[in-house]
Amino acid sequence: DQQVKQNSPSLSVQEGRISILNCDYTNSMFDYFLWYKKYPAEGPTFLISISSIKDKNEDGRFTVFLNKSAKHLSLHIVPSQPGDSAVYFCAASAGTSGSRLTFGEGTQLTVNP
Amino acid sequence: GAVVSQHPSRVICKSGTSVKIECRSLDFQATTMFWYRQFPKKSLMLMATSNEGSKATYEQGVEKDKFLINHASLTLSTLTVTSAHPEDSSFYICSANLLNSPLHFGNGTRLTVT
Repeated sequence: DQQVKQNSPSLSVQEGRISILNCDYTNSMFDYFLWYKKYPAEGPTFLISISSIKDKNEDGRFTVFLNKSAKHLSLHIVPSQPGDSAVYFCAASAGTSGSRLTFGEGTQLTVNP
Repeated sequence: GAVVSQHPSRVICKSGTSVKIECRSLDFQATTMFWYRQFPKKSLMLMATSNEGSKATYEQGVEKDKFLINHASLTLSTLTVTSAHPEDSSFYICSANLLNSPLHFGNGTRLTVT
């Protein structure tokens, strides 16, 4: 039972354009959501998070949007840079500040120069 | 800089042997650490929660006797893959909380069982 889903295994965008990565979840108990970036043979690196009491959180080029009614969140990267090329994981947790995470399958983002 | 250190980064072992992976929190105490496993092109799957001074909590479907977890100190958790088989080959990653910040992950261990 995949409780966190990233339906796009890959995404390719041009440098300078916006990258939009999507994530859906099914568990209504999830109340904290995170995005991680991962390079091959490395552990995930935290990017940005959002609590269920908010619908938007912004940090520099990264913005996460949360639509609780649709159980959907998205990560916007603008402007996209070649160095953003990596696998992006959406993760969710219930009742904690981010422990015991449930991850999506990941989306490979490629930003072309 | 890194707040969670994992060792080794890569290990190759023969079928039937046991392999120990270490996860250390750097400059902070972690009463709880988490062990994840990632299959190729798949999600990170939580295997178990490692609790300092007590037994680990395993997720459904994870064999306790196969994946031994010891959290003997506030800065060290170990995962031992016992009697490893080729199907245990995977990428194992540990993580820990620093205060109330999001989970910090180690760089992972690539295990290959031949």
